[in-house]
Amino acid sequence: DAGVIQSPRHEVTEMGQEVTLRCKPISGHNSLFWYRQTMMRGLELLIYFNNNVPIDDSGMPEDRFSAKMPNASFSTLKIQPSEPRDSAVYFCASSPREPDTQYFGPGTRLTVL
Amino acid sequence: GESVGLHLPTLSVQEGDNSIINCAYSNSASDYFIWYKQESGKGPQFIIDIRSNMDKRQGQRVTVLLNKTVKHLSLQIAATQPGDSAVYFCAEPGNSGYALNFGKGTSLLVTP
Repeated sequence: DAGVIQSPRHEVTEMGQEVTLRCKPISGHNSLFWYRQTMMRGLELLIYFNNNVPIDDSGMPEDRFSAKMPNASFSTLKIQPSEPRDSAVYFCASSPREPDTQYFGPGTRLTVL
Repeated sequence: GESVGLHLPTLSVQEGDNSIINCAYSNSASDYFIWYKQESGKGPQFIIDIRSNMDKRQGQRVTVLLNKTVKHLSLQIAATQPGDSAVYFCAEPGNSGYALNFGKGTSLLVTP
């Protein structure tokens, strides 16, 4: 099993640019989560999908953030426009059912200059 | 609000010794708990979980103990190795039932 796959692993961009992060969950898992991790705030849940449907996006910081899950094997998290305070590591996680153990991807380290 | 917290932010142990990482939780309704290990530059990795109807669960070199009376969770690592150096998080389901509430993490450093 390849596990959760995320791309890119590192992203450096300038303030104001659009950033798109990608995630492929573990095959057969029907729950997908996007998290953000910073030293100050730890791991924060941004959005949760179940069967490709967004269930809870209350953790999305503001309208600059959006997430989609067009099918069971792919999800994107977009930031437009990006700001320096968005710099963090973004993790995607999936689980076979809710509630259950979540399996995390390697993360995308985002740096906004 | 209800949260998961850790007693010790850092723990330094010698290689070969046993390690104990502690976690206090406040949601008495939580029905399972999970321990994750996060190595530098990597995502959190599932180690072991325990259901609330259990007091103890053992894995390979790891044991999780649950004391519901005092709302305390611990992770014991036997014969700690350099590869065990990482940040360890305990987690429990949040009020939503699907999201996980993570503690701040404990950094474990294994010295030779």
